[in-house]
Amino acid sequence: GDSVTQMEGPVTLSEEAFLTINCTYTATGYPSLFWYVQYPGEGLQLLLKATKADDKGSNKGFEATYRKETTSFHLEKGSVQVSDSAVYFCALGANNLFFGTGTRLTVIP
Amino acid sequence: GAVVSQHPSRVICKSGTSVKIECRSLDFQATTMFWYRQFPKQSLMLMATSNEGSKATYEQGVEKDKFLINHASLTLSTLTVTSAHPEDSSFYICSASSRGTSGGDEQFFGPGTRLTVL
Repeated sequence: GDSVTQMEGPVTLSEEAFLTINCTYTATGYPSLFWYVQYPGEGLQLLLKATKADDKGSNKGFEATYRKETTSFHLEKGSVQVSDSAVYFCALGANNLFFGTGTRLTVIP
Repeated sequence: GAVVSQHPSRVICKSGTSVKIECRSLDFQATTMFWYRQFPKQSLMLMATSNEGSKATYEQGVEKDKFLINHASLTLSTLTVTSAHPEDSSFYICSASSRGTSGGDEQFFGPGTRLTVL
């Protein structure tokens, strides 16, 4: 069945550091891929998405590219800020979403 | 963006009692609502999908008689945990989607409800 494997956290970075959170998937067909972010005390918010191979999703300085050959959708940001501290979830699917376990990111000044 | 609320945010109950959790879409009509369960340090697990006015579709392994889902209107879905037991303690999250919005079938998530059964 469809599944997502996500890099375990927690991840702690200094401000302006480079961020990578790995995500790989197993799926039948060609699902859409997503990154969701959950800030403290809030619900999950869609951060970015890609609907087909080689698509790059981007938002708020974050990027992820749908790599069919490596079945990956790694999240990257060139320079993190304290306000990026949150839990990040990789997910795949369409109407039904399959989530990774989430990666907690803490950015320290 | 679209806003989804959940109530209550936190509930503690005694074993054997029933608990109702509400999920509301505040500024859009949700044709479909989803209920997820999240265990500590684990991913969100889809429990059921409900479409307004019809019976919910439950995922394999989810007891439909224990987790009653009602989606009576386009803005409200409820999850009732019947005869709750300590193993039902978890974080329950709802999401809502609406066809035809600018986001297509994007799901908008509520903030979650933490249930603790004593």
